[in-house]
Amino acid sequence: KAGVTQTPRYLIKTRGQQVTLSCSPISGHRSVSWYQQTPGQGLQFLFEYFSETQRNKGNFPGRFSGRQFSNSRSEMNVSTLELGDSALYLCASSPEGTGGTQYFGPGTRLLVL
Amino acid sequence: GENVEQHPSTLSVQEGDSAVIKCTYSDSASNYFPWYKQELGKGPQLIIDIRSNVGEKKDQRIAVTLNKTAKHFSLHITETQPEDSAVYFCAASTDYKLSFGAGTTVTVRA
Repeated sequence: KAGVTQTPRYLIKTRGQQVTLSCSPISGHRSVSWYQQTPGQGLQFLFEYFSETQRNKGNFPGRFSGRQFSNSRSEMNVSTLELGDSALYLCASSPEGTGGTQYFGPGTRLLVL
Repeated sequence: GENVEQHPSTLSVQEGDSAVIKCTYSDSASNYFPWYKQELGKGPQLIIDIRSNVGEKKDQRIAVTLNKTAKHFSLHITETQPEDSAVYFCAASTDYKLSFGAGTTVTVRA
């Protein structure tokens, strides 16, 4: 099976802009989770979607949002970008939800200037 | 929320020696404990996991132990090889969220 894919792999934006990242889960996986990875804060949970519904959300401001489509593909959006949003954004898919085994994609590296 | 602490932050071992990484967690409701390996420029790769009804699990050179009473779990890598050099993360799952430790950078010296 193909692994989790994320697009784009690299992105450069300026402060105030918005960005949309995409994630395609492993075939058959209905749960998709998003994480932010930074050198200072490490890996932090953003949110998880299962069958197009957000089941859980981490402690991030409302500028961070996501959605999931009927084919389980997911997108996350960050509006009004800040310098501190520069990070590696990781998507993970699971056949059982975040309580189950999660498989990560390669991530999208976002740089905010 | 869940708080996961991981030690040490860096670990240098001679090829062929063993490496041990330890983690503690705070939420007694956590019931799933995976370990991930992350190489430069890649996403975390699941290497082994353990659930709260199991005390120990082994997969070739890698083993994980869990002590639910003490709320700590450990990763053991035996006969280390240069390709084991990477950053390792422990995590604990509660309420459908994965909470990660800060990571351990493992360097295997040839």
